[in-house]
Amino acid sequence: ETGVTQTPRHLVMGMTNKKSLKCEQHLGHNAMYWYKQSAKKPLELMFVYNFKEQTENNSVPSRFSPECPNSSHLFLHLHTLQPEDSALYLCASSPGPENGELFFGEGSRLTVL
Amino acid sequence: KQEVTQIPAALSVPEGENLVLNCSFTDSAIYNLQWFRQDPGKGLTSLLLIQSSQREQTSGRLNASLDKSSGRSTLYIAASQPGDSATYLCAVKDRGSARQLTFGSGTQLTVLP
Repeated sequence: ETGVTQTPRHLVMGMTNKKSLKCEQHLGHNAMYWYKQSAKKPLELMFVYNFKEQTENNSVPSRFSPECPNSSHLFLHLHTLQPEDSALYLCASSPGPENGELFFGEGSRLTVL
Repeated sequence: KQEVTQIPAALSVPEGENLVLNCSFTDSAIYNLQWFRQDPGKGLTSLLLIQSSQREQTSGRLNASLDKSSGRSTLYIAASQPGDSATYLCAVKDRGSARQLTFGSGTQLTVLP
């Protein structure tokens, strides 16, 4: 199994839909992250979780709602998104939030119509 | 606020050449620096992690150096191959905000056969 697995890989949704992105890591890490990658822009950190507790919210709009039920799973719930939210959403994990390498999943390509 | 710059934005070289990718950062008080590779539409693959106390790291044909005082890192790729074609990203973890990485915009490398 790959270290960090994201599903779905591709998602198309309307502005009124509710959908969720899922991330699972098999590395025994304690910290998990959501990043957003838009065209022509550097990666932007969205959320950080450490031992299931959210430790960082980088001023993300409330239409993005993260959930971390345990150290191995991370969700990003999506509701009433805007077309400008279309991007590649990347999940990552690391041994802890302040040390070690980050390992990324393959990403979920989101298109909002 | 930390800023990370990668120059050039794009680079094209013939197969077999040795090449250097550059990364500069504005705040030298860093915790570590990490180089990633990203293939089109895919996630990020960690290549090398350099702790602030280290000056270089090597993995196969890759060598990354770090000069904190000048705010620079380089990624040296020896004997480039078409399979090395990808976008290379550097990311810095600050001591002041050790939970998140600041990413550069990347260098898109094309190795021509």
